[in-house]
Amino acid sequence: LAKTTQPISMDSYEGQEVNITCSHNNIATNDYITWYQQFPSQGPRFIIQGYKTKVTNEVASLFIPADRKSSTLSLPRVSLSDTAVYYCLVGGGRGSTLGRLYFGRGTQLTVWP
Amino acid sequence: IAGITQAPTSQILAAGRRMTLRCTQDMRHNAMYWYRQDLGLGLRLIHYSNTAGTTGKGEVPDGYSVSRANTDDFPLTLASAVPSQTSVYFCASSDSGGGGEEQFFGPGTRLTVL
Repeated sequence: LAKTTQPISMDSYEGQEVNITCSHNNIATNDYITWYQQFPSQGPRFIIQGYKTKVTNEVASLFIPADRKSSTLSLPRVSLSDTAVYYCLVGGGRGSTLGRLYFGRGTQLTVWP
Repeated sequence: IAGITQAPTSQILAAGRRMTLRCTQDMRHNAMYWYRQDLGLGLRLIHYSNTAGTTGKGEVPDGYSVSRANTDDFPLTLASAVPSQTSVYFCASSDSGGGGEEQFFGPGTRLTVL
């Protein structure tokens, strides 16, 4: 089972870069790694997804080492509006059952002025 | 464009009662999902559906049932609610259910079982 482990909480200040790491030691060969952001009283929202190496989009970067047993979400120059819970999701690879989708317990990121 | 709608927004329910949480999507997505979210435990998959007419069990399916009669609707039923089913329930959908694709989430239903 591709269970995931994340830090419970992190603090940062505006303008800093934040890196949140997720451990997934039992990731399967065809599993993807996806990160979601959730604000209070809302459903999670997709941020970024990767399979290996590095992926970058307009809001974040995702670093995945060669062994794929962990991944790091990098948020450049955070602002107060980035205060949210961030979830790591492993699974959903083509050919795998959708029943093998595992979210981490989430990391509460708090950005201070 | 509504995306995914869930009803009710919140509900207080007596233990032993039957309850159906509704979920509707207008994106013509093939795959749909139900998650529960509990403090400290994150999101856990209850049931999923690859396409209309098919369903499958997730990580925590006991006490819940689902049906997928058509593409748009994916109701979740608690046949006899228990207090441990107090949670926030999220419905989600994705285009085809393959390749780890993006899931789109509804606003959630907050359920309290007394």
